[in-house]
Amino acid sequence: KAGVTQTPRYLIKTRGQQVTLSCSPISGHRSVSWYQQTPGQGLQFLFEYFSETQRNKGNFPGRFSGRQFSNSRSEMNVSTLELGDSALYLCASSPGNSASGGSYNEQFFGPGTRLTVL
Amino acid sequence: AQSVAQPEDQVNVAEGNPLTVKCTYSVSGNPYLFWYVQYPNRGLQFLLKYITGDNLVKGSYGFEAEFNKSQTSFHLKKPSALVSDSALYFCAVRDPRGSSNTGKLIFGQGTTLQVKP
Repeated sequence: KAGVTQTPRYLIKTRGQQVTLSCSPISGHRSVSWYQQTPGQGLQFLFEYFSETQRNKGNFPGRFSGRQFSNSRSEMNVSTLELGDSALYLCASSPGNSASGGSYNEQFFGPGTRLTVL
Repeated sequence: AQSVAQPEDQVNVAEGNPLTVKCTYSVSGNPYLFWYVQYPNRGLQFLLKYITGDNLVKGSYGFEAEFNKSQTSFHLKKPSALVSDSALYFCAVRDPRGSSNTGKLIFGQGTTLQVKP
């Protein structure tokens, strides 16, 4: 099976702009989670989507949003970019297909999108 | 609140020696615990997990981890380190209670492992 893919791999934006990142999960996986990785804050959970619904959300401002499509592909959007949004954004997928959410499943991560805000 | 601590920013070990990367957690109830490894400019790779059962869990690339409930620890170990094991290692926890935590992992700050020839 192909792994998790993320596009683009690198992005350079300026403050105030908005950006959309894309993630294609492993075939058959219905849960997609997004994480932000920075040297200072480490890995922080942004949100999770399952069957096109946001199932969980981290502690990030409303400028960060996401969505999931019927084919489980997911996008995240960051509006009004700030310098502090520069980070590696990681997407992870898992089956997540039981009534309890399959929380015992490990997540499979993509290579990430490196966002630089100037 | 759930949290994970990796007390060492960096661990140095000679090739062929055993290695340990430490992790402690704070979660009410019985946690699900994971170890991931990250190589430069790459995403995270899953190594192993503890859900229930035997406290010693074996994973990929010869790694294993021991779950200790009384000490709330989940240390990563390998009997004989390789130079190629040099990477950034993350411990993560998930609170299995409630469907709202299903896709959410809480990560430690990471430990850089340096294996010298």
